[in-house]
Amino acid sequence: AQKVTQAQTEISVVEKEDVTLDCVYETRDTTYYLFWYKQPPSGELVFLIRRNSFDEQNEISGRYSWNFQKSTSSFNFTITASQVVDSAVYFCALSGISGSARQLTFGSGTQLTVLP
Amino acid sequence: DTAVSQTPKYLVTQMGNDKSIKCEQNLGHDTMYWYKQDSKKFLKIMFSYNNKELIINETVPNRFSPKSPDKAHLNLHINSLELGDSAVYFCASSQGRFGGSVSEQYFGPGTRLTVT
Repeated sequence: AQKVTQAQTEISVVEKEDVTLDCVYETRDTTYYLFWYKQPPSGELVFLIRRNSFDEQNEISGRYSWNFQKSTSSFNFTITASQVVDSAVYFCALSGISGSARQLTFGSGTQLTVLP
Repeated sequence: DTAVSQTPKYLVTQMGNDKSIKCEQNLGHDTMYWYKQDSKKFLKIMFSYNNKELIINETVPNRFSPKSPDKAHLNLHINSLELGDSAVYFCASSQGRFGGSVSEQYFGPGTRLTVT
């Protein structure tokens, strides 16, 4: 069975602070995919990143960066110099590639509030 | 152009009624999904269709019935609505299920269903 844990239910930071959102996953598969989605107050779900289990390179996109560590089954997300517009619920998700595992299993989300 | 659209955005109805939510995607994707997001923001997959064929059917009451008239549309019909059906329902789509690759999913804006 697949499982995604986002232990931080809520995080509050002041604008311009850096913040890291944690994601720990469990899977028996050797090949799998990890995702992050953002859900701003308007409610839509916005795709941020997809990473497969064979690519452990960290990724940076502007102020966003992701740290994938297979050894600790973690896929953490860091926002540098946070802005008020970053306030949202962030979801980490996992998908296997075959059978019943080939579907997105979401974590419970982390509510990030960036204060001005 | 909206990539994944849903109608209606809000749906308020009484217990026992039957209602439908429509979803359309113009991304040329082969696979479409329905998710339910409860009041605690937990996201769970309900159904998935690939080229009009049902491929994922999670443990969902049989009052919920998806219908895919073509690969660009996936509608959700709910019979005999109950209070516990109140939630936000998201439609999503992704590229086809090819081999060992899992594509990201793109979500519609959601339909907030309130059953009174």
